Amino acid sequence: AQKVTQAQTEISVVEKEDVTLDCVYETRDTTYYLFWYKQPPSGELVFLIRRNSFDEQNEISGRYSWNFQKSTSSFNFTITASQVVDSAVYFCALSEMGSGNTGKLIFGQGTTLQVKP
Amino acid sequence: GAVVSQHPSRVICKSGTSVKIECRSLDFQATTMFWYRQFPKKSLMLMATSNEGSKATYEQGVEKDKFLINHASLTLSTLTVTSAHPEDSSFYICSARAGQGNQPQHFGDGTRLSIL
Repeated sequence: AQKVTQAQTEISVVEKEDVTLDCVYETRDTTYYLFWYKQPPSGELVFLIRRNSFDEQNEISGRYSWNFQKSTSSFNFTITASQVVDSAVYFCALSEMGSGNTGKLIFGQGTTLQVKP
Repeated sequence: GAVVSQHPSRVICKSGTSVKIECRSLDFQATTMFWYRQFPKKSLMLMATSNEGSKATYEQGVEKDKFLINHASLTLSTLTVTSAHPEDSSFYICSARAGQGNQPQHFGDGTRLSIL
């Protein structure tokens, strides 16, 4: 069965600190995609990144970086030098691509990040 | 690019009213649209998946007669909450995806539904 676990419910940091949001997933498919979305207080979900199961290269985009490790089924997200505007709920999600799958997203429970000035 | 518009953003209405929520992909053709429900401080729960011109596929436990979904074109899907009751109050979010399942879903801004 597919499942995404974000064990950290809430994280609070002070501005300029680095913070890592954990994501662990379970799937039987060999082909799948992992995503991170940001949900600020206004409610909309903002797409951050997509990673396929065959590409374990880490990715960096500005202050954001992602560490994908298939051996531990983890796809962790690090924000470097956090800012108040990073305060939001962050969701990790899994999309299975095996036969019969529609590619629907299975979301983790979300991690609420609060960055204090 | 990849803008999804959801309307209305907020609805307050009396119990028994039917409410229609629209989801439009503004700058791309959405072969698949999804409808989610989110309770306060909770994750998104997928309600149904709809492909243009086909009947929606509902997740287990979601009443299809209660939550009517129409995906009449490649840019528009609607969710109608029929005879809404207070327990239907929630945050409803749609998403749209172009192409296959490996493409990211792009989300609307959500609709906060409050049934009195």
